[in-house]
Amino acid sequence: GQNIDQPTEMTATEGAIVQINCTYQTSGFNGLFWYQQHAGEAPTFLSYNVLDGLEEKGRFSSFLSRSKGYSYLLLKELQMKDSASYLCAVPNTDKLIFGTGTRLQVFP
Amino acid sequence: NAGVTQTPKFRILKIGQSMTLQCTQDMNHNYMYWYRQDPGMGLKLIYYSVGAGITDKGEVPNGYNVSRSTTEDFPLRLELAAPSQTSVYFCASSYTGTDSGANVLTFGAGSRLTVL
Repeated sequence: GQNIDQPTEMTATEGAIVQINCTYQTSGFNGLFWYQQHAGEAPTFLSYNVLDGLEEKGRFSSFLSRSKGYSYLLLKELQMKDSASYLCAVPNTDKLIFGTGTRLQVFP
Repeated sequence: NAGVTQTPKFRILKIGQSMTLQCTQDMNHNYMYWYRQDPGMGLKLIYYSVGAGITDKGEVPNGYNVSRSTTEDFPLRLELAAPSQTSVYFCASSYTGTDSGANVLTFGAGSRLTVL
């Protein structure tokens, strides 16, 4: 089975950098996804990592360490619109299993 | 392309009533999923389907039923609504299974259900 852990809430200031961590335990590893979900909306895909290391995509980067069962999402130059929940998810056969999500609040 | 369309957007049910949440996608995706999301929580998988005629249970299937008679449609049925089923329900689809990293879930806008 899977066990996925993320912090429940985080706060940060506009223009700052924030790192959202995710630890997981899974019987078979096939990569790790990050999704963003604004309040009252559906989740949208942010990133996918299957190899160790950092994947950069504009202001957002995602890191994976398979040996440690650990990933993080790095958000740079934070904007107010980045206030959202960030969901870590791992595949299990044909299913995608989500963590409880981290709610990020960005303050001016 | 409309993507994934869910109806209704909002519904209030009385305890013991039944209803069907509709989900349809026009992307010719083989895989479809139903998740529920309780306030402040992550997504829990209810049921999923890897193709027409095939369905399987997820993490929290009790109290729900599904069918997949066509590639496009994947309705979720609640037979005897209970307050514990108050939640936001999301339907999602993908072209292949989630073991393929290039594959991403496309979500519908969600259906907010309240059982009183």
